[in-house]
Amino acid sequence: QKEVEQNSGPLSVPEGAIASLNCTYSDRGSQSFFWYRQYSGKSPELIMFIYSNGDKEDGRFTAQLNKASQYVSLLIRDSQPSDSATYLCAAPPRDDYKLSFGAGTTVTVRA
Amino acid sequence: GAVVSQHPSWVICKSGTSVKIECRSLDFQATTMFWYRQFPKQSLMLMATSNEGSKATYEQGVEKDKFLINHASLTLSTLTVTSAHPEDSSFYICSAPPGLAASYEQYFGPGTRLTVT
Repeated sequence: QKEVEQNSGPLSVPEGAIASLNCTYSDRGSQSFFWYRQYSGKSPELIMFIYSNGDKEDGRFTAQLNKASQYVSLLIRDSQPSDSATYLCAAPPRDDYKLSFGAGTTVTVRA
Repeated sequence: GAVVSQHPSWVICKSGTSVKIECRSLDFQATTMFWYRQFPKQSLMLMATSNEGSKATYEQGVEKDKFLINHASLTLSTLTVTSAHPEDSSFYICSAPPGLAASYEQYFGPGTRLTVT
């Protein structure tokens, strides 16, 4: 079982819609979770991190964490064409600072 | 703040030669840096953890004699791909936690695209 798994996508949404990305993790000891955005040919950039159960909002992005279900999600509201990218979920395993990345979900926002 | 640079941004080399990639933290010091490799349409795979003042820690399946890592200072780590072959062609990315203390947050360099002909 992979440490971090993401819904494979690709995901296509119309401009202005909500894009919903899902991620599950296997290590119950993981305490923090990260969402990175990666444009084609570029390196990842951090867009959100979440440590506590519940929701965390930052602009048009909302991260949701459910530790009991070992589930992390990212919602992108009012999707824009500039949001078209691959989104990577990442988590460090227990007692480690190395990040395990999911396979990524490619999002395309249709104008 | 928390800017990480890489050099070169892209490199083409012939099979059998060695290539050195530099990773620098520009506005902070880092005792730890991470090296990743990403093949087309795949996710990032951690290759090794670079530790200032000690040996690098390699992930399972990564040949330490082929991918030489040297953490020369608190702002510089280098990855040398020795005797490169076409299958080593990939996007190499480094990252560093922003500071001397251990941290879950990582900031990524812009990446180095290596093509071995």
